Amino acid sequence: NAGVTQTPKFRVLKTGQSMTLLCAQDMNHEYMYWYRQDPGMGLRLIHYSVGEGTTAKGEVPDGYNVSRLKKQNFLLGLESAAPSQTSVYFCASSYPGQRDHYGYTFGSGTRLTVV
Amino acid sequence: DAKTTQPPSMDCAEGRAANLPCNHSTISGNEYVYWYRQIHSQGPQYIIHGLKNNETNEMASLIITEDRKSSTLILPHATLRDTAVYYCIARPERGGSNYKLTFGKGTLLTVNP
Repeated sequence: NAGVTQTPKFRVLKTGQSMTLLCAQDMNHEYMYWYRQDPGMGLRLIHYSVGEGTTAKGEVPDGYNVSRLKKQNFLLGLESAAPSQTSVYFCASSYPGQRDHYGYTFGSGTRLTVV
Repeated sequence: DAKTTQPPSMDCAEGRAANLPCNHSTISGNEYVYWYRQIHSQGPQYIIHGLKNNETNEMASLIITEDRKSSTLILPHATLRDTAVYYCIARPERGGSNYKLTFGKGTLLTVNP
């Protein structure tokens, strides 16, 4: 049981390049989320999904797109990377049917640098 | 979600209890108090949550005041590995669009040898 797996773990992009961050979970969770974390700040929600084929905007969605074609995968895309998108990106998942809590399971993060 | 207030940092001696406070004076009746922690460079980790009764699990204890306006996370015997940023979050347990977690800046707990 791997939990939440993020790939890649590190990436350096040039301004204007595009890339996709992949999040995969093997816990059959319905909900998935993408957060970013900048130095000295808490996590900020970018986009989230409450089920296969559905996505919604979070707190800081500009410059990002997402897709949830399969229940276990949640992709975060940067169409034209900017230095302001240099950050650590965390994916998380949760299962609304859990009787006891809405505990989130987080991945280990993707460290992205845009130069 | 109710706003929570935590001290930016705290120190604790190894082996002693760490008591992390959180104020949530505007908490609603259906909002739970959740605690997560983030060890350096890792993803946040769920610790515990509660509504109005005190809760205990293998990681920590959660004490919620009777008026629910504040709570304390207790790590009974802190170790060096407990050094982390601890986040207190208030939100409904389930339902509607309130399944998102909103993270503040949390409390940096440093456990000293």
